[in-house]
Amino acid sequence: QQQVKQSPQSLIVQKGGISIINCAYENTAFDYFPWYQQFPGKGPALLIAIRPDVSEKKEGRFTISFNKSAKQFSLHIMDSQPGDSATYFCAASRGRGGKLIFGQGTELSVKP
Amino acid sequence: GAVVSQHPSRVICKSGTSVKIECRSLDFQATTMFWYRQFPKQSLMLMATSNEGSKATYEQGVEKDKFLINHASLTLSTLTVTSAHPEDSSFYICSARGTRGDTGWTFFGQGTRLTVV
Repeated sequence: QQQVKQSPQSLIVQKGGISIINCAYENTAFDYFPWYQQFPGKGPALLIAIRPDVSEKKEGRFTISFNKSAKQFSLHIMDSQPGDSATYFCAASRGRGGKLIFGQGTELSVKP
Repeated sequence: GAVVSQHPSRVICKSGTSVKIECRSLDFQATTMFWYRQFPKQSLMLMATSNEGSKATYEQGVEKDKFLINHASLTLSTLTVTSAHPEDSSFYICSARGTRGDTGWTFFGQGTRLTVV
């Protein structure tokens, strides 16, 4: 019930294309769903986050889509750029101060 | 965005020695800090949760006597790897959780690459 499942494990996208990463969770008590970007040798950086009372949130080229009934959420990166090549992690937590449960990560490679 | 500073970024130590890693929230008060361990090409594994002024809560399977955590103030938490061995070599990352509006936000440090030789 604590797991967050992320797919795909790796993704190759051409420059200008759309990158889509999916996550699914079991615990309906989760109420905070962030996405993190991590470059090699660095800590994760918060990209965008959503709460279950909205179905979509957009910040620049990054969009989270949230389907509460299906217990799924996804990250869409529009106009993907080589600089977006990194590992992306979805996560979920319960309440303020709750510990984050991470997905397995997706290694994104954007080809020029 | 909020800044969490982790120090050192890299450390090499001899087997049997202890290493201390610091995690500071620079522009906000962190009531809760988390420590993670990450192996190459794997996800972050939560080791422990620390709240200011109280004992850390360790995840199952994490040796609390080996990984000592101190959260002395609202801006500083430390992880000490005691009697380090080569199998403790890993990437250690801290995070600090503050509050912003009605949502808690978690920000990560830059990570510490520990190599035990």
